[in-house]
Amino acid sequence: KAGVTQTPRYLIKTRGQQVTLSCSPISGHRSVSWYQQTPGQGLQFLFEYFSETQRNKGNFPGRFSGRQFSNSRSEMNVSTLELGDSALYLCASSLTSGRGEQFFGPGTRLTVL
Amino acid sequence: AQSVTQPDIHITVSEGASLELRCNYSYGATPYLFWYVQSPGQGLQLLLKYFSGDTLVQGIKGFEAEFKRSQSSFNLRKPSVHWSDAAEYFCAVGDNNNDMRFGAGTRLTVKP
Repeated sequence: KAGVTQTPRYLIKTRGQQVTLSCSPISGHRSVSWYQQTPGQGLQFLFEYFSETQRNKGNFPGRFSGRQFSNSRSEMNVSTLELGDSALYLCASSLTSGRGEQFFGPGTRLTVL
Repeated sequence: AQSVTQPDIHITVSEGASLELRCNYSYGATPYLFWYVQSPGQGLQLLLKYFSGDTLVQGIKGFEAEFKRSQSSFNLRKPSVHWSDAAEYFCAVGDNNNDMRFGAGTRLTVKP
């Protein structure tokens, strides 16, 4: 069974631009969670989607948004990029929402210049 | 909300020596606890998890962890470390809403 895939793996943007990251969960998994990982803040929860609905949200500004499609694939969007948004963005999928063992993708490395 | 503390930012052990990585959590109910490992440039791989039952949990790659409710701890152990174990290790606590909180991580260096 294929693992969680994330595209693109690397991305370079400039301040003020917007970016969309994509995550394809493991086949059959309906929950997708997103995390931001930085050296200073560590791993921080962004949001979780289950059956196309946002179930849970972390403490991030509204510039960070996401969605989930009927095939469980998820996208994350960051608008008006700031230098501090440079990070590794990790996606994790699980079978269900709640008590889920999460399987992580390799991440998308975003650099904002 | 739940939280996790990993007191050790960096640990160095000799190959073949035993290892214990500390993790303390804060959560009002029965926690769901996890240990993940991350190699440079990679995502996180689950080593083991605790949901309920036996408080000593066996994981992959020879790792085990023990849940101690009285100490709010979930320490990771390995009897004999291999050079390939060098990586960053994250303890995490989750709730019923899949809201998973991670510790800051412990970077493990293995000396030959």
